[in-house]
Amino acid sequence: AAGVIQSPRHLIKEKRETATLKCYPIPRHDTVYWYQQGPGQDPQFLISFYEKMQSDKGSIPDRFSAQQFSDYHSELNMSSLELGDSALYFCASTTNSYNEQFFGPGTRLTVL
Amino acid sequence: AQSVTQLDSQVPVFEEAPVELRCNYSSSVSVYLFWYVQYPNQGLQLLLKYLSGSTLVKGINGFEAEFNKSQTSFHLRKPSVHISDTAEYFCAVSDLSFNKFYFGSGTKLNVKP
Repeated sequence: AAGVIQSPRHLIKEKRETATLKCYPIPRHDTVYWYQQGPGQDPQFLISFYEKMQSDKGSIPDRFSAQQFSDYHSELNMSSLELGDSALYFCASTTNSYNEQFFGPGTRLTVL
Repeated sequence: AQSVTQLDSQVPVFEEAPVELRCNYSSSVSVYLFWYVQYPNQGLQLLLKYLSGSTLVKGINGFEAEFNKSQTSFHLRKPSVHISDTAEYFCAVSDLSFNKFYFGSGTKLNVKP
């Protein structure tokens, strides 16, 4: 069965650079969630989208922005990167037919 | 808002022994409850979930969990663990609108031979 795809899987950036993380939900899933998991920490909810509109917002820094496109894929844009942004970023998708979120493998961002 | 507390950050156990990973939650509304497993350098995989009905929920890999509303707990159990169960386990809750998950801090299960 198709799963959530995230790209890239690994990304290394310098401080103050920008990064774009991509998430491709499972086909026919209309809802996408982004989470940030710092080293040794639990995943923290960042933002979610339903039918291309932002549906909820968590602890997402102002330096980050995200959107969901017409094909339901989503991109998380991160600017002015800081060392503390180094983390594993998860995307999850779902639709009303399911009472769970399906997680992607994550993108590991390292900021040097 | 909801919150999740996983009382044990690490649980060492010998192979074939039983294990219980504890999870307590706090919420002013009804919730859905989940357990996820994360193997090193991998994403989160759903073990089991409680939505309604029977309070004993069976999941994959021989795991089960019991929802206790009065104690606001959702402890994960396995009667006999394997080396391959070594991973980090996260308890999570969401409200019934299912907008977002709140995760616990995780419990690292270390199964020793």
